Amino acid sequence: EAQVTQNPRYLITVTGKKLTVTCSQNMNHEYMSWYRQDPGLGLRQIYYSMNVEVTDKGDVPEGYKVSRKEKRNFPLILESPSPNQTSLYFCASSLSLVSRTGELFFGEGSRLTVL
Amino acid sequence: AQSVTQLDSHVSVSEGTPVLLRCNYSSSYSPSLFWYVQHPNKGLQLLLKYTSAATLVKGINGFEAEFKKSETSFHLTKPSAHMSDAAEYFCVVRPYSGAGSYQLTFGKGTKLSVIP
Repeated sequence: EAQVTQNPRYLITVTGKKLTVTCSQNMNHEYMSWYRQDPGLGLRQIYYSMNVEVTDKGDVPEGYKVSRKEKRNFPLILESPSPNQTSLYFCASSLSLVSRTGELFFGEGSRLTVL
Repeated sequence: AQSVTQLDSHVSVSEGTPVLLRCNYSSSYSPSLFWYVQHPNKGLQLLLKYTSAATLVKGINGFEAEFKKSETSFHLTKPSAHMSDAAEYFCVVRPYSGAGSYQLTFGKGTKLSVIP
């Protein structure tokens, strides 16, 4: 089954404790992206990757890191989490956004709470 | 630069009555437009998309949307609401310059409630 898989789905952590949210897709998609969703703000892009070893900042990259060493994986790293990073995070992928018809496929989300 | 405005943060309808969720956009280039739906505790799922072909686009679950360039709108409609339609809906714009574009802009969402 074609899917985007995120882990963990739920996490409670404390300020400053490094964590990684993994994202994996099985559709051989070139494009992958991370978003955070906060009430009243919709989805905001954190980082995106157009292909292996190619990443770029989105609208709200501060406090986050990413890497794209393999095509299928795009982990989101919080080196020193802070309470303002408490949010619902989504990973998404697309075959290619060069095509006009390119659409995003989303994971089910990871709810992160930083105390 | 592009932007998306979903005109209602919350819409409430009775089961069996029509649904209208409004979306206005601005874009420097000819845009692709999408509607996504998010059910509670789930990821976003594509409902439908406009990519410069027919201006009236049909999607899943009986939803459709009409691209109106003169009004810069892409409103989502359904003739008869079902309880399972209760969810949050997001309008998304992606300007297309011909060279491709990776910049998608999401609206802030419209929460649809369906009253039995």
